[in-house]
Amino acid sequence: GEDVEQSLFLSVREGDSSVINCTYTDSSSTYLYWYKQEPGAGLQLLTYIFSNMDMKQDQRLTVLLNKKDKHLSLRIADTQTGDSAIYFCAERPRDDKIIFGKGTRLHILP
Amino acid sequence: GAVVSQHPSRVICKSGTSVKIECRSLDFQATTMFWYRQFPKKSLMLMATSNEGSKATYEQGVEKDKFLINHASLTLSTLTVTSAHPEDSSFYICSARDRGIVQEHRTQYFGPGTRLTVL
Repeated sequence: GEDVEQSLFLSVREGDSSVINCTYTDSSSTYLYWYKQEPGAGLQLLTYIFSNMDMKQDQRLTVLLNKKDKHLSLRIADTQTGDSAIYFCAERPRDDKIIFGKGTRLHILP
Repeated sequence: GAVVSQHPSRVICKSGTSVKIECRSLDFQATTMFWYRQFPKKSLMLMATSNEGSKATYEQGVEKDKFLINHASLTLSTLTVTSAHPEDSSFYICSARDRGIVQEHRTQYFGPGTRLTVL
């Protein structure tokens, strides 16, 4: 089946690193995504990783993919107040469909 | 990155009326657009996939006669909620996929969403 699981909440102190974890079920997924949703807004594509990659880094964002365990993580270095949002993990098992997790709400502590 | 707009951003209507939501890809052509519905504290639920010039493909459990989708051009798709009821109140988000030559590299870009409240 198709299912994406992620924890619902994460609290991190400003300046620390945030790590959001996700597990997915479909091993045929060619792309895995991280989206950010700020309050009352749509989804912003943060980053994505192709299934034949183990890691992708883009400025403060690092994505790690463990394909064997179907585990994806997003690390945000030096977390800022502007990073407060809901982060959705998503897999794309077929070209026409993206399966989203329920989202992890990241709360930044001063 | 690519921009997708939605209009209106917020709408309040009376029960029984119909509401149309527009989704536009502003700087790229989108052969495929998607409509999602987001419930509070829940993930996005794909409602339907629309391809330009053809009928939309609805996900299981989504009433096609209630949620009319039209994708008349490569930059515009509309979702009409017909005879809206309070249970249709939700956040509706569209996304558009670019026409990348390589199928695997096509990316979905999301609109800012439309908050529908049915009284």
